[in-house]
Amino acid sequence: QLQLQESGPGLVKPSETLSLTCTVSGGSISTTSYYWGWIRQPPGKGLEWIGSIHYTGSTYYNPSLKSRVIISVDTSKNQFSLKLRSVTAADTAVYYCARHYGEWHSKDYYYYYYMDVWGKGTTVTVSS
Amino acid sequence: SYELTQPPSVSVSPGQTASITCSGDKLGDKYAYWYQQKPGQSPVLVIYQNTKRPSGIPERFSGSNSGNTATLTISGTQAMDEADYYCQTWDSITYVVFGGGTKLTVL
Repeated sequence: QLQLQESGPGLVKPSETLSLTCTVSGGSISTTSYYWGWIRQPPGKGLEWIGSIHYTGSTYYNPSLKSRVIISVDTSKNQFSLKLRSVTAADTAVYYCARHYGEWHSKDYYYYYYMDVWGKGTTVTVSS
Repeated sequence: SYELTQPPSVSVSPGQTASITCSGDKLGDKYAYWYQQKPGQSPVLVIYQNTKRPSGIPERFSGSNSGNTATLTISGTQAMDEADYYCQTWDSITYVVFGGGTKLTVL
């Protein structure tokens, strides 16, 4: 059974870089059909998608976060990672990693992605 | 940018039918997805491609999508269905788009 596990510091200082890793077990990250990505949820608020990556290195980023985000993949370790730079208190959230499955939309002529497997999430607080 | 709008809250009595809506421009032309999130837990996919249920999701969960509105329907709602529900779609510019979420209360 596929499992995803987030790891990384729970506390990050303002203006520094938030770094998280998601380890995939029970399956290979090097699968054509899937992207692997990050979603966050500030305390008491809704879900915000951050971005995703394919094992080939192709990425999609939320336009509102793109200038501060880098997502990378390490197929040898079956892991992918998130770096979010110049963090502020507004970046305090539970961060989830999730597998993104793509399904072809025959009228739009591109793939739609949705999250079919999620990690348990990790809380990151931005504070000095 | 593409946006999805959900009512903040919906209430339903046990055993009744709950309907949660998600509105977006020509959403019916897109695929809609629905996630259930219980307190302190990760979201769980309950509907994909507008109407399909993943393995393990009870039959009382169903979805529809037409015009500008996607709807998640829970028939015979149970206390265990009390949760936050999020709709989601994909857009060629903004990519993954979530609705703001709806808190379903079973009372």
